Amino acid sequence: DAKTTQPPSMDCAEGRAANLPCNHSTISGNEYVYWYRQIHSQGPQYIIHGLKNNETNEMASLIITEDRKSSTLILPHATLRDTAVYYCIVRVAGNSGYALNFGKGTSLLVTP
Amino acid sequence: EAQVTQNPRYLITVTGKKLTVTCSQNMNHEYMSWYRQDPGLGLRQIYYSMNVEVTDKGDVPEGYKVSRKEKRNFPLILESPSPNQTSLYFCASSLLASQAGGPRSSYNEQFFGPGTRLTVL
Repeated sequence: DAKTTQPPSMDCAEGRAANLPCNHSTISGNEYVYWYRQIHSQGPQYIIHGLKNNETNEMASLIITEDRKSSTLILPHATLRDTAVYYCIVRVAGNSGYALNFGKGTSLLVTP
Repeated sequence: EAQVTQNPRYLITVTGKKLTVTCSQNMNHEYMSWYRQDPGLGLRQIYYSMNVEVTDKGDVPEGYKVSRKEKRNFPLILESPSPNQTSLYFCASSLLASQAGGPRSSYNEQFFGPGTRLTVL
């Protein structure tokens, strides 16, 4: 799996968009970008994934640059419940089921 | 509701007293896995299973056993717990590519249980 780099922490005001960056400059052509989050001491929760097109679901949007070397997870209207550690993971889809390398992630604090 | 359940959620025990943490999923997933999470070390995989009666070691298997007699259950067994096994444990499950219909739909979406906080004195 390609290595990812995320800022260790970020703040966001409630109601504003939270934009969480991830660098994955060594990503290969068949690797997807996945995002998970972990609210304090709870089990990690899948958010979204993508290959090269931007993706959106009910939780978030994922913007992947054209060269695929970086991506941004967007929480359009952050709430206090979005305070969590966010993990960007890159892996080949065919490796489904294997251990996910969560790394250290970005600790997002949403403030009132 | 699709879910992974773990029991117990909290456990305090003493060194050497055998214990089992149960994990069950209701999504007919082939793949199940155990992770432990420790401060500064992140989530590390202990054991995983790709199917009934098929298990394999993860990154930190020492001191643990698992079994997969049924698809839905994947218990974690500590035969002789030690204080260095004090940790937060998570069970997870997911589809495999063969189940999901191919690479595009094998999301690597692992569903995690709520966690078991274990303290070994």
